[in-house]
Amino acid sequence: NAGVTQTPKFRVLKTGQSMTLLCAQDMNHEYMYWYRQDPGMGLRLIHYSVGEGTTAKGEVPDGYNVSRLKKQNFLLGLESAAPSQTSVYFCASRRPVGGAKNTEAFFGQGTRLTVV
Amino acid sequence: GQQLNQSPQSMFIQEGEDVSMNCTSSSIFNTWLWYKQDPGEGPVLLIALYKAGELTSNGRLTAQFGITRKDSFLNISASIPSDVGIYFCAGVSTGGGNKLTFGTGTQLKVEL
Repeated sequence: NAGVTQTPKFRVLKTGQSMTLLCAQDMNHEYMYWYRQDPGMGLRLIHYSVGEGTTAKGEVPDGYNVSRLKKQNFLLGLESAAPSQTSVYFCASRRPVGGAKNTEAFFGQGTRLTVV
Repeated sequence: GQQLNQSPQSMFIQEGEDVSMNCTSSSIFNTWLWYKQDPGEGPVLLIALYKAGELTSNGRLTAQFGITRKDSFLNISASIPSDVGIYFCAGVSTGGGNKLTFGTGTQLKVEL
């Protein structure tokens, strides 16, 4: 019963390096989200996807790109990492569309990224 | 970007005490969710609220969806040490991916 799995769990990058964070869910969820969590600021939405092949910007999209080539995977890319992107990144997914209860989102365990 | 106003920011209580925290917004939400986050983990859903005025319980937790649809509160009765963590409210808007907007969190510490 994997749920939402994020890889890697930890990463240290040098400024200017690139990397991709992977989120995989096995619950057949349509919607997937990437959040970042910073101290005292809760979770802020970076990008999201409402289905395979679609992506949209969230609240803080600058410096990030995403792709949803397969329904079960949502990738978050940093093309040129900056110290301001040091954060904990969380992926979430939601049940298939339809019905009030499909608004419950389930989270991965997070990726702790440090950019030096 | 919008974030919900959640209070208090932190609480330090005695084991056995009841705890209350709330979340307010300038926008209307159709669903309110309450999550708990343990250190090093992702948020885990505690309670979901779907209708204005709804009162829902999950064990020692009780949450209510405000009548105005702009607020929600969470109560924890008879707190125990494992209640320690950060509690987040989240409002869910209609349309546009049904995005969750999170509160800034309430850090709960329980003293034995």
